[in-house]
Amino acid sequence: SQTIHQWPATLVQPVGSPLSLECTVEGTSNPNLYWYRQAAGRGLQLLFYSVGIGQISSEVPQNLSASRPQDRQFILSSKKLLLSDSGFYLCAWREGLAGTYTGELFFGEGSRLTVL
Amino acid sequence: AQSVTQLDSHVSVSEGTPVLLRCNYSSSYSPSLFWYVQHPNKGLQLLLKYTSAATLVKGINGFEAEFKKSETSFHLTKPSAHMSDAAEYFCVVVRNNFNKFYFGSGTKLNVKP
Repeated sequence: SQTIHQWPATLVQPVGSPLSLECTVEGTSNPNLYWYRQAAGRGLQLLFYSVGIGQISSEVPQNLSASRPQDRQFILSSKKLLLSDSGFYLCAWREGLAGTYTGELFFGEGSRLTVL
Repeated sequence: AQSVTQLDSHVSVSEGTPVLLRCNYSSSYSPSLFWYVQHPNKGLQLLLKYTSAATLVKGINGFEAEFKKSETSFHLTKPSAHMSDAAEYFCVVVRNNFNKFYFGSGTKLNVKP
């Protein structure tokens, strides 16, 4: 069966420090991968998605970047964190099949980032 | 364009009474629709999905939803609320064959003893 792992679960970082959140998926190949952010009272915001290694689509211009160095690995990074980067970050995947496809997203457990 | 509107930000029910969480969508194409549940500080879990088959969809934990194209609605219901249903619920739409999922703003369900 497929599983998704996301870490760290909790992170407290000072303003201006770097960030790296990692997500890996097991039990599937060539998944579509997603990073979402959930800020207090603001719902889910799509940050990045990827349909393959090295292919990243950015939805919101901001202080963050994403990379996909391996098929089942998705990394969210920042060189210098801002206070506004605080939030709950969720990684998700779906089957990356071609053609008519209606598959759902599967979410990780999330990473709580507090920037002080 | 795709969009989702969850009509209530908070819903409060008593344990054992019915639950209704409302969702309207806008889609220029045949969409797939989903309901997810999120407990505090947890990831989102799929409750059910509509993918152009039966319009009445049954999900986990006794939830179901009915796709009504004429009303562009996909409301989530449960006959009898349980304390463990207290959580936040998200309605989601995606255009088939595309990669972007559009989330509603969420409805927080409170279940009173």
